[in-house]
Amino acid sequence: DAGITQSPRHKVTETGTPVTLRCHQTENHRYMYWYRQDPGHGLRLIHYSYGVKDTDKGEVSDGYSVSRSKTEDFLLTLESATSSQTSVYFCAISESWTGGLTPTRPADTQYFGPGTRLTVL
Amino acid sequence: DAKTTQPNSMESNEEEPVHLPCNHSTISGTDYIHWYRQLPSQGPEYVIHGLTSNVNNRMASLAIAEDRKSSTLILHRATLRDAAVYYCILRSPDAGAGNMLTFGGGTRLMVKP
Repeated sequence: DAGITQSPRHKVTETGTPVTLRCHQTENHRYMYWYRQDPGHGLRLIHYSYGVKDTDKGEVSDGYSVSRSKTEDFLLTLESATSSQTSVYFCAISESWTGGLTPTRPADTQYFGPGTRLTVL
Repeated sequence: DAKTTQPNSMESNEEEPVHLPCNHSTISGTDYIHWYRQLPSQGPEYVIHGLTSNVNNRMASLAIAEDRKSSTLILHRATLRDAAVYYCILRSPDAGAGNMLTFGGGTRLMVKP
């Protein structure tokens, strides 16, 4: 299994408070992603990173910011949490973003962390 | 991105083969077909991928139609541990660095003992 951890695994917070979720990898993969998963919406990309200090927005980035000061850590911050941000958050990593031609699995295979369940009251 | 269509749910008996279909009629010539699955309370995990030819690995087999407009993930002997949501995803090698996985609804596979 890919070495990806997320912390905390569960968090309950109140509306208006700041929240930071951490994703840590031991694989030295270049690309990291934050997704959220909600019933009826599947997984949706929030932000991604393609290197240290290189990040970009995904499809649902409003209300979220990210930072990546080291290869191994990708932080997701909710500056002022709202109830609509109650969700399960997954971090993912990949070695490459290209399709790749490796026979066993593509170079852009994404490996997911165990998830963080966030509840905003 | 080209879209995929999968049945919402399927049921199987333990130890029997399972064929999970996926339609992707608007697939482009360079799109790879990937399958991921998500076990309960876990993050998604890669299962298999292919381009044109059928593929086998230790987890499953992937059968791709000759016109590439559909594919089938085959679990040769379903176990209770295979109960999960299976996602069929098209991946373009030309996508940018933000090559997010676009998860549709997937197929929820239920395995009966």
